[in-house]
Amino acid sequence: GQSLEQPSEVTAVEGAIVQINCTYQTSGFYGLSWYQQHDGGAPTFLSYNALDGLEETGRFSSFLSRSDSYGYLLLQELQMKDSASYFCARFYSKTSYDKVIFGPGTSLSVIP
Amino acid sequence: DTEVTQTPKHLVMGMTNKKSLKCEQHMGHRAMYWYKQKAKKPPELMFVYSYEKLSINESVPSRFSPECPNSSLLNLHLHALQPEDSALYLCASSQDSGDRKFTLNTGELFFGEGSRLTVL
Repeated sequence: GQSLEQPSEVTAVEGAIVQINCTYQTSGFYGLSWYQQHDGGAPTFLSYNALDGLEETGRFSSFLSRSDSYGYLLLQELQMKDSASYFCARFYSKTSYDKVIFGPGTSLSVIP
Repeated sequence: DTEVTQTPKHLVMGMTNKKSLKCEQHMGHRAMYWYKQKAKKPPELMFVYSYEKLSINESVPSRFSPECPNSSLLNLHLHALQPEDSALYLCASSQDSGDRKFTLNTGELFFGEGSRLTVL
């Protein structure tokens, strides 16, 4: 299967840390990406994990555990502008093409 | 140039019209994608082109017809659409990691700003 699961909504306070989880079905899995999308905008790439462990990019980090079919996105020092939808996207590659399927998305609200 | 350009930004069409959405990238990416996104929903994969060949059609109705004239361009031809086809249509491109000897999969899709389609 290709399905992914994420919490539908998360609320956090400005300056805090928030973790958005994503679980996926193992079959055909190759890697997990994270995207941010503001209302009316296009998805923008945040991070990618193909191997177990933590990837850090500024205030954003992403973690993957292939044995647990689980990943998360960690946002630190939250800012009001981080209010957006966040999607995990499973990435799997065949010999001649890549396929990327998005999770249902998590709506993050950052409050003062 | 790290942009994916989509035109038009907005399109209103009747159910009997024929129109096309266009997408262009000059990053040398060999994989290009069409996604459909409804409000408050995730992008839903429609088509994938790899090296200008259609690799994936996610059971999309034939009223949507993709075309990849060359490695930089991707079109989506629309004909006899239904009101429920109204959505944001997103084009994306990526390095195609199918040939692993030569490419590194960065896991990144580059998205255009989308074409917002309304079918009356």
